[in-house]
Amino acid sequence: NAGVTQTPKFRILKIGQSMTLQCTQDMNHNYMYWYRQDPGMGLKLIYYSVGAGITDKGEVPNGYNVSRSTTEDFPLRLELAAPSQTSVYFCASRQGLSTDTQYFGPGTRLTVL
Amino acid sequence: GIQVEQSPPDLILQEGANSTLRCNFSDSVNNLQWFHQNPWGQLINLFYIPSGTKQNGRLSATTVATERYSLLYISSSQTTDSGVYFCAVVPAYSGAGSYQLTFGKGTKLSVIP
Repeated sequence: NAGVTQTPKFRILKIGQSMTLQCTQDMNHNYMYWYRQDPGMGLKLIYYSVGAGITDKGEVPNGYNVSRSTTEDFPLRLELAAPSQTSVYFCASRQGLSTDTQYFGPGTRLTVL
Repeated sequence: GIQVEQSPPDLILQEGANSTLRCNFSDSVNNLQWFHQNPWGQLINLFYIPSGTKQNGRLSATTVATERYSLLYISSSQTTDSGVYFCAVVPAYSGAGSYQLTFGKGTKLSVIP
């Protein structure tokens, strides 16, 4: 199993550009998450999904959109990138219960200039 | 929401020394995980430990759920232990929701030769 994979690893955007961060998991997990980590801080939840076709907002959703058309994939879309979105983005997945271990991808480092 | 506090915020150790990292949380939890974020930014699962004690090599963790804290012990530290250690929890009152992990701000550990 590859676990949780993310692409790209690094990206530089100009203000106002758009991009999609890709996330795929091969563990057949129901729950998937997107977090952002700002320098020196813990992770904050952007969006999550409890299954294909079902998504919901987390703590910091503004400026982002998600979709979940399959169990495996959970892309994060940035529209009109802003410098405040400069961060490291982590995707994660869990089987389903609150007691399950959550697994993280390697992260995408995004800089908006 | 639930509060997660980690201490100390920074720790410098000589190689070979032992250390204890603490995580306090403000409410009952049914999921607690310890992560190591290495200097390359990757989040590595260390322990899933909502209660009790676990050991893995030089690392061990204890969670006293009734007193709302968890401890991570690192023995005979090595330079490769450097990085940030995060505690993250899912509150017991989450119910049928996101089951999102709430992260502490981490303990930055530097092990010097």
